[in-house]
Amino acid sequence: GALVYQYPRRTICKSGTSMRMECQAVGFQATSVAWYRQSPQKTFELIALSTVNSAIKYEQNFTQEKFPISHPNLSFSSMTVLNAYLEDRGLYLCGAREGYNNQAPLFGEGTRLSVL
Amino acid sequence: AQKVTQTQTSISVMEKTTVTMDCVYETQDSSYFLFWYKQTASGEIVFLIRQDSYKKENATVGHYSLNFQKPKSSIGLIITATQIEDSAVYFCAMREGSSGSWQLIFGSGTQLTVMP
Repeated sequence: GALVYQYPRRTICKSGTSMRMECQAVGFQATSVAWYRQSPQKTFELIALSTVNSAIKYEQNFTQEKFPISHPNLSFSSMTVLNAYLEDRGLYLCGAREGYNNQAPLFGEGTRLSVL
Repeated sequence: AQKVTQTQTSISVMEKTTVTMDCVYETQDSSYFLFWYKQTASGEIVFLIRQDSYKKENATVGHYSLNFQKPKSSIGLIITATQIEDSAVYFCAMREGSSGSWQLIFGSGTQLTVMP
């Protein structure tokens, strides 16, 4: 079946350091990938949407300088949180979708980021 | 403006009963797609069921079904014969059909607890 894996599941980094997280699509081609952050209050924020062979589109309040994303092929994407601070804490979710139809995006289990 | 609202913060039900979770949405688009996901204790987000706005028939998948009331902009999730393992946070999400992005707008979630 189609699955999305995220790695690592949990990570802790010191304030001001950076942390890279990965997203792997298995069993389907991740034509587009969306990175979300879920706050401790459970609300979702879309960080950026990446489509293979297209520019990555960042949402307001999120920038490439802070959250650089790589989407080099149809099965893998990564995102780095640069200079992480307390407000960057949360569960980072990767949602992937195949093609350009209206299928429901599949999500990974998320990477939970804690910042000390 | 796009918005998805889940007014029920938490629901507790006895095992093997039926539960309905509410969701209302706001959109200016005539075409849109509605999804329900559940988030397990580990953080994993699992796709459950979808409803396309142009379809009149309520979607059904396994013991999940939808109560789509388009005039009321409402898409309730019905779980029949609930099981302990259905305990999770349930999110309603919407994607507008006309936008170039496949950004999902999530509701705030409903915590479902199924008791033995």
